[in-house]
Amino acid sequence: QVQLQESGPGLVKPSETLSLTCSVSGDSISNGYYWGWIRQPPGKGLEWIGNVYQTGFTSYSPSLRSRVTISIDTSNNLFSLRLTSVTAADTAFYYCARQMRGSSSPDYWGQGSLVTVSS
Amino acid sequence: QSVLTQPPSVSAAPGQKVTISCSGSSSNVGENYVSWYQHLPGAAPKLLIYDDNKRPSGIPDRFSGSKSGTSATLGITGLQTGDEADYYCGTWDGSLSPGFFVFGTGTKVTVL
Repeated sequence: QVQLQESGPGLVKPSETLSLTCSVSGDSISNGYYWGWIRQPPGKGLEWIGNVYQTGFTSYSPSLRSRVTISIDTSNNLFSLRLTSVTAADTAFYYCARQMRGSSSPDYWGQGSLVTVSS
Repeated sequence: QSVLTQPPSVSAAPGQKVTISCSGSSSNVGENYVSWYQHLPGAAPKLLIYDDNKRPSGIPDRFSGSKSGTSATLGITGLQTGDEADYYCGTWDGSLSPGFFVFGTGTKVTVL
């Protein structure tokens, strides 16, 4: 069974950088899937942030592209998210997920990590 | 702001059927597979349908998906109280290079 677990600070100050890591178990991160990040601000819908392939190839949401970096660590079977210059609007539950080959549909999800942006 | 439009809410009595629409464009729904997700409060979203109409192992056949042109539909038959949740469609959008994944605006299902 594939399992994903987010980790990182739950509180980030405005203008600073949000950093989260997703540890993957039950599957190799080099197994041909894409590995993505999705968020949900309180009371709002799901928003795809971006994903990374085992080669390091990335795709990002056009609205976040200028502030996002997603990287992959195949040696430790994990991938990471960095979001710079955060504001209160970046307060959200952040989920990591495995995305299927072809359709890119997220099929396995982490439980989510609440990140609050506040001074 | 999502490029995939869903109705904000749908409702029906237990045992009845509901359908949820997902309207997109030629660069997303029209040329890429659609998936559907169930999101219960406090839980991770769950994949219900992928590749327009396929169900992952363990998803009951009460859930079905279809697509025509630039619109997709999720159907839920034999509605149960446990089906009360938010539902989202999702698909790849190839309007830019590289492309990107998009979710619908979400639909809240209420069991009356």
